[in-house]
Amino acid sequence: SDELTQPPSVSVSPGQTARITCSGDKLSTRYASWYQQKPGQAPVLVIYKDGERPSGIPERFSGSNSGTTVTLIISGVQAEDEADYYCLSSDGSGSLWVFGGGTKLTVL
Amino acid sequence: QVQLVESGGGVVQPGRSLRLSCAASGFTFRTYAMHWVRQAPGKGLEWLTTIWFNGNNKFYADSVKGRFTISRDDSKDTLYLQMDSLRAEDTAVYFCARESLEEELIDYWGQGTLVTVSS
Repeated sequence: SDELTQPPSVSVSPGQTARITCSGDKLSTRYASWYQQKPGQAPVLVIYKDGERPSGIPERFSGSNSGTTVTLIISGVQAEDEADYYCLSSDGSGSLWVFGGGTKLTVL
Repeated sequence: QVQLVESGGGVVQPGRSLRLSCAASGFTFRTYAMHWVRQAPGKGLEWLTTIWFNGNNKFYADSVKGRFTISRDDSKDTLYLQMDSLRAEDTAVYFCARESLEEELIDYWGQGTLVTVSS
C-alpha cells in the first residue's frame, strides 16, 4: 500500500516532547519529509530525509525512522508549535507522491 | 528569495474549466520539477500532479487523471494547471510547489489560490 497513516491529533503541555508518527509500508525503503501548516498559511518544510533539519528550523524539531514508521519529534514544545503536521513520501521514481492524513498538534 | 505566486482561482460551475497559473521567481525555474497540491476546506493535503524539469514527464493522482493537465512555460517561469470537467469535490485551495534538486521532497510552496466549484 502507498498510504501513509498519521494519528489525527496529539496533545502536549508546553515544555513537553511531542511525537507524531507516520506509518507506511514503503517507508522502510523511502525517505519521508515533514511539513508544518498553520491556519491560513502554506506548509513549511521542517524535517527531510527522516531526520534532517532545513536551515532556519529550530533545533527542537527532529525526526527518526524505525522501519515502516517515521516519527517527528518536537522537544520542549512551545505554544507557537501548535499546527497541523503532514508527512510526505514518494514512490522513488518521482511518479507518485503521498501525504499522510495530517496530525493536529495541540499545545495545552 | 524563492517565490511562487498562484493565480486564476475563483468560482466556477460544475462541468466547466479553469486554468491556474503559478509565477515563479528567485530561482532557475527551468531546472526544477514542480507540483500542484490541493487542500479541501478543513481537510488534509492531497498531491495532484508533477512535471519534471524538462516537461517530458508528467504524473497524476488517480483523482484528477484525465481531467487535469499540468504544463510549464520556462520562457515565462510559469507553471499551469488546466482543470476540466470540474466537480464539487474539486473545491479546494490549490498550491504550487517546488521539488528540491538534491532530495525527493517539496521544499517551497506558494500561498495557494482558492477554487470553488458550485452552481
